[in-house]
Amino acid sequence: GAGVSQSPRYKVAKRGQDVALRCDPISGHVSLFWYQQALGQGPEFLTYFQNEAQLDKSGLPSDRFFAERPEGSVSTLKIQRTQQEDSAVYLCASSYLVPIPPNTEAFFGQGTRLTVV
Amino acid sequence: GQQVMQIPQYQHVQEGEDFTTYCNSSTTLSNIQWYKQRPGGHPVFLIQLVKSGEVKKQKRLTFQFGEAKKNSSLHITATQTTDVGTYFCARPRDNYGQNFVFGPGTRLSVLP
Repeated sequence: GAGVSQSPRYKVAKRGQDVALRCDPISGHVSLFWYQQALGQGPEFLTYFQNEAQLDKSGLPSDRFFAERPEGSVSTLKIQRTQQEDSAVYLCASSYLVPIPPNTEAFFGQGTRLTVV
Repeated sequence: GQQVMQIPQYQHVQEGEDFTTYCNSSTTLSNIQWYKQRPGGHPVFLIQLVKSGEVKKQKRLTFQFGEAKKNSSLHITATQTTDVGTYFCARPRDNYGQNFVFGPGTRLSVLP
């Protein structure tokens, strides 16, 4: 596709509800990242995939957060039993590694704004 | 991973004035990236700096990477209202990975 696509753009969930956020990266991009951005803050790293392998999930705030990328393209971030503190914009980014010279430009999607009420 | 600090947190300038934001790390960086995020938008990549002392220009934007590779700056000459947004620097989460840690950002307002 032309860019990174995320859906839904907006999600309102009742506290305790499970949500699933989808990310369609740019075709051919090996790396995929999920970030959480609270209002007025910088993006906070959640997790990173290289193809289908989840290489780093150290940023996931709790075991209620789970991400997958089973076929190395589309990714889903799932949040179970949502809490109010989960309210944020969830950004997905993808990149195509060009190792020499290092060029790791990340292309971000528009994000999903999650509001937990 | 280590955070990067950015100063100032906010900057209000009159259109036509210059603007500079600084990004500082306590450890040596292999490279650093800069992103711009417009209000209500998503981060957009501006540049990546790799070499010690590197200076790169994009029209009215000048990016510098310090000699010690611990700090970086973004300077905008003669700001325009289109420059409004938050400017983030981002450092690699590990030394050579693709995974980046974002700074808190500098929010720029430009008064017409």
